Amino acid sequence: AQTVTQSQPEMSVQEAETVTLSCTYDTSESNYYLFWYKQPPSRQMILVIRQEAYKQQNATENRFSVNFQKAAKSFSLKISDSQLGDTAMYFCAFHNNAGNMLTFGGGTRLMVKP
Amino acid sequence: EAGVTQFPSHSVIEKGQTVTLRCDPISGHDNLYWYRRVMGKEIKFLLHFVKESKQDESGMPNNRFLAERTGGTYSTLKVQPAELEDSGVYFCASSQRGVGGSDTQYFGPGTRLTVL
Repeated sequence: AQTVTQSQPEMSVQEAETVTLSCTYDTSESNYYLFWYKQPPSRQMILVIRQEAYKQQNATENRFSVNFQKAAKSFSLKISDSQLGDTAMYFCAFHNNAGNMLTFGGGTRLMVKP
Repeated sequence: EAGVTQFPSHSVIEKGQTVTLRCDPISGHDNLYWYRRVMGKEIKFLLHFVKESKQDESGMPNNRFLAERTGGTYSTLKVQPAELEDSGVYFCASSQRGVGGSDTQYFGPGTRLTVL
């Protein structure tokens, strides 16, 4: 069974600074997909970024980028130039190539301070 | 384009009562998923529909939970009778593509269920 671990329950960062959220996972699969989802307070969860395991290049979406280390089974999210609107719960998630079920980590609550 | 919607947003019921949650996926999405997050724990998969068929229901906790997707459109999740441990946030998600490969799942806002 796959597991996803987010070791930082809460983090804070000053506006305009950079923050990195950690995620590790465990799987015996060689082909799979990794995701970061964001859930702002009282709002629905949205996809921030995704990474296919077969791609060596790290995914980037504007101020959001990942550091995907396949051998270490690590998938961290870097948020550059943090904005107040980045305040949210961030969930790391995984699914293998055979199915569509997402396996989530416990989440990291990020607070961006002015 | 309307996103995934869920109704109700909150539900408070007594132990032993029945509650039915509804999810309307994005139009044209064949895949519909139910997840839930109980207090302070991970979001856990419950089941997956492809159109009206249950593709994977391995996450359903017990037979008090019944999910349906009539006509392959909206889905309902009924809890009968509700127990205290059923309290949590129930999320619905939908995606377009079939099983395998990868397809972005779009989530609804969730239904917060409180069983007293």
